[in-house]
Amino acid sequence: AQSVTQLGSHVSVSEGALVLLRCNYSSSVPPYLFWYVQYPNQGLQLLLKYTTGATLVKGINGFEAEFKKSETSFHLTKPSAHMSDAAEYFCAVSDGTGTASKLTFGTGTRLQVTL
Amino acid sequence: DAMVIQNPRYQVTQFGKPVTLSCSQTLNHNVMYWYQQKSSQAPKLLFHYYDKDFNNEADTPDNFQSRRPNTSFCFLDIRSPGLGDAAMYLCATSPHRGTMDTQYFGPGTRLTVL
Repeated sequence: AQSVTQLGSHVSVSEGALVLLRCNYSSSVPPYLFWYVQYPNQGLQLLLKYTTGATLVKGINGFEAEFKKSETSFHLTKPSAHMSDAAEYFCAVSDGTGTASKLTFGTGTRLQVTL
Repeated sequence: DAMVIQNPRYQVTQFGKPVTLSCSQTLNHNVMYWYQQKSSQAPKLLFHYYDKDFNNEADTPDNFQSRRPNTSFCFLDIRSPGLGDAAMYLCATSPHRGTMDTQYFGPGTRLTVL
């Protein structure tokens, strides 16, 4: 069985500062890893995903994440935060054994961006 | 634009009164999912359809049922809602069975149980 741990349920950064949201996973098979963003009262939107190949993955809105197998991590970063980045961010791992992309989500990190 | 649509966005029901939530998609995806997301928690998968093949999660209560009459539509039926069923219900789709497939989410239906 797989699981995801997101360190820090709330993260606050100043506009223009580095954003770092942490995600560690546990999986018995090679993982497929995802970051989703959820704005208030909306569904989830894919930011980026890692399947195979290059371990540094670039996504939308200037976000990127690096898969580090040795650290079982998939941390999300953005060099310069914008007010519009304020949202809930979910890391997820896909079950690699089944018949569909069954996602196990972390508990989420709420990002606050201040002036 | 192709999308996942959920109706209604907000639903209020009474304790024990059956309620149906609707999801439709214009993406022509084979797989449709229903998630339950309680306040400040991660989305939790209830079940999914691959085409007409229904797959229930082991810990999904019997109170929750689903129907998929065609490729485009999927319904979530809550037979006797309890106060603990108040949550956001998210519908998602993915193209195939592939475990690396992206899931595309609708905006959700927020269910209130009085």
